[in-house]
Amino acid sequence: EVQLVESGGGLVQPGGSLRLSCAASGFTFSSYWMQWVRQAPGKGLVWVSRVSSDGRSTSYADSVKGRFTISRDNAKNTLFLQMNSLRAEDTAVYYCARGRSMPNLGNWFDPWGQGTLVTVSS
Amino acid sequence: DIQMTQSPSSLSASVGDRVTITCRASQSISNYLNWYQQKPGKAPKLLIYAASSLQSGVPSRFSGSGSGTDFTLTISSLQPEDFATYYCQQTYSTPPTFGQGTRLEIK
Repeated sequence: EVQLVESGGGLVQPGGSLRLSCAASGFTFSSYWMQWVRQAPGKGLVWVSRVSSDGRSTSYADSVKGRFTISRDNAKNTLFLQMNSLRAEDTAVYYCARGRSMPNLGNWFDPWGQGTLVTVSS
Repeated sequence: DIQMTQSPSSLSASVGDRVTITCRASQSISNYLNWYQQKPGKAPKLLIYAASSLQSGVPSRFSGSGSGTDFTLTISSLQPEDFATYYCQQTYSTPPTFGQGTRLEIK
């Protein structure tokens, strides 16, 4: 069974740091791009970042660029999101998701992990 | 960034109803449009990719159509488990963006 399990969320003060992890199983992790998406309480889905299958290519939403770093350890089937200089507006459930694509069909996110809650508050 | 606008934002319907949700992109996105279902407290689940391709395991009462800027998600006969929030997503350009969601409620 394909599975993604996030961890590392919690309560952190503004300006603080947190590192999220996403453990993958049931598929060849090193063959897929991976994504982070967040959802503030009661709000919609917002893409945060993605990393290529080999970890060499990354992209970020403007709102987190320069503060967040995505990375992966293919030997340990784990995706990471290092979050620094956290702000109240970063409060959200953070989901990791596997990226899938096919020529001329674009790409999509499937499956998603269960999410981990990050709360930024003093 | 490409803006995705869903309508309606909320919808009340009954079991057995046929329901259509619309998603409009601020520019042409070809068929690079996906639909997700999210239930309260749960992760989103992929329903439709590439505008009209049904994800494996998703019931056939779900269908998608459209290309360019206008897309629709149709549920042919609502079942109790379909009451949820639905999101469209474009992956034509970076950043991938989502619609604001359509909350489907029981009438």
